[in-house]
Amino acid sequence: EIVLTQSPATLSLSPGDRATLSCRASQSVGTYLAWYQHKPGQAPRLLIYDASTGATGIPARFSGSGSGTDFTLTISSLEPEDFAVYYCQHRSNWPPLTFGGGTRVEV
Amino acid sequence: EVQLVESGGGLVQPGGSLRLSCAASGFTFSTYSMTWVRQAPGKGLEWVSSITDDSSTIHYADSVKGRFTISRDNAENSLYLQMNSLRAEDTAVYYCARHGWLDYWGRGTLVTVSS
Repeated sequence: EIVLTQSPATLSLSPGDRATLSCRASQSVGTYLAWYQHKPGQAPRLLIYDASTGATGIPARFSGSGSGTDFTLTISSLEPEDFAVYYCQHRSNWPPLTFGGGTRVEV
Repeated sequence: EVQLVESGGGLVQPGGSLRLSCAASGFTFSTYSMTWVRQAPGKGLEWVSSITDDSSTIHYADSVKGRFTISRDNAENSLYLQMNSLRAEDTAVYYCARHGWLDYWGRGTLVTVSS
């Protein structure tokens, strides 16, 4: 089973700041990695897939990079609606599909 | 507009059963694999089960294997999760999502397993 480790667990920032979130895989997943945003009481939202491709309708301030075992989600300038929990997820050599433990971006 | 709406959650005693449903609309349901994901209180997202478009291939997480059954009815645009022998640790919000990447999700249905 591929384990995804996200860091940091919590990121305390202000609107307008740059956010950099990390996801590390226990073995290579190539570019089979996605990022999701999740707010309480809402459906999770796909932000990035194939490590760096923006999903439909996702603002350009969200970008993804990386391959193999190390991946980064960058939010270039935080908007108030961006404060949420972010998860990475792989679909390489599954099952199982696995998610990282999440990074909470808070004010 | 793609919509996924889960239903069927509720309070059940340990050892009991529940059947979750996911009604899909706004896309050709019969051509997509589908997935169930859950989130226990205060925890992260956990993959539960996936099924291909024609039901030919099904996968389960080890934590639910032998207790949960995923199925679908393409004529009804519906996905199901039959949950038997429920345990306290199955307490969670259950989401259905369109597979490939999980590009569309429902808002979830809460399952509480407690005596």
